[in-house]
Amino acid sequence: DIQMTQSPSSLSASVGDRVTITCQASQDITNSLNWYQQKPGKAPKLLIYDASNLETGVPSRFSGSGSGTDFTFTISSLQPEDFATYYCQQYDNLPRFTFGPGTKLDIK
Amino acid sequence: QVQLQESGPGLVKPSETLSLTCTISGGSISSYYWSWIRQPAGKGLEWIGRVYISGTTHYNPSLKSRVTMSVDTSKNQFSLTLSSVTAADTAVYYCARGKNAGRFDPWGQGTLVTVSS
Repeated sequence: DIQMTQSPSSLSASVGDRVTITCQASQDITNSLNWYQQKPGKAPKLLIYDASNLETGVPSRFSGSGSGTDFTFTISSLQPEDFATYYCQQYDNLPRFTFGPGTKLDIK
Repeated sequence: QVQLQESGPGLVKPSETLSLTCTISGGSISSYYWSWIRQPAGKGLEWIGRVYISGTTHYNPSLKSRVTMSVDTSKNQFSLTLSSVTAADTAVYYCARGKNAGRFDPWGQGTLVTVSS
């Protein structure tokens, strides 16, 4: 099975900061990677698909990049509503889907 | 827009079977895969499996021996059963639509299932 790791596992930042989260796959997954945001008590929300494509309606301060085994998720200027947990998810070896362990982003 | 809503018992006894249903509104169950994903309290997300309108299913190998999924097109619903549950199956269970092979969107709000006697 493909294993996903994320770093850091938690992160403290301030409004206006630029934040970067990384996700690494245990083997080449080309660009088969999505990013989700989850707020407490809520379902995850799709933000980025196919590694770098912004889901419709998602603010442009969110972006993703990478291919192969190494991926990056960036928030260019943190807003108060962005404090949440972020998960990467691979779909290369269909029909098996795996999520990263998550990165909790909170207020410094 | 499409909305999903999970329903089912919130408490299941150990060794018994967990049964949940996801009702789709604002759209048709046709032409998509429909997945179940769970999340133990304070932990990450685990994909359980998916079902297509044809009845084709794919399950997470770690749960395959205990999982069954089905579709009821007349009710625009799909279902999950998980047998022989233990405390380790206690989690929030989400249903979600599978888009373009690998994306999950939208998700239901989730339902907490507790396994306890």
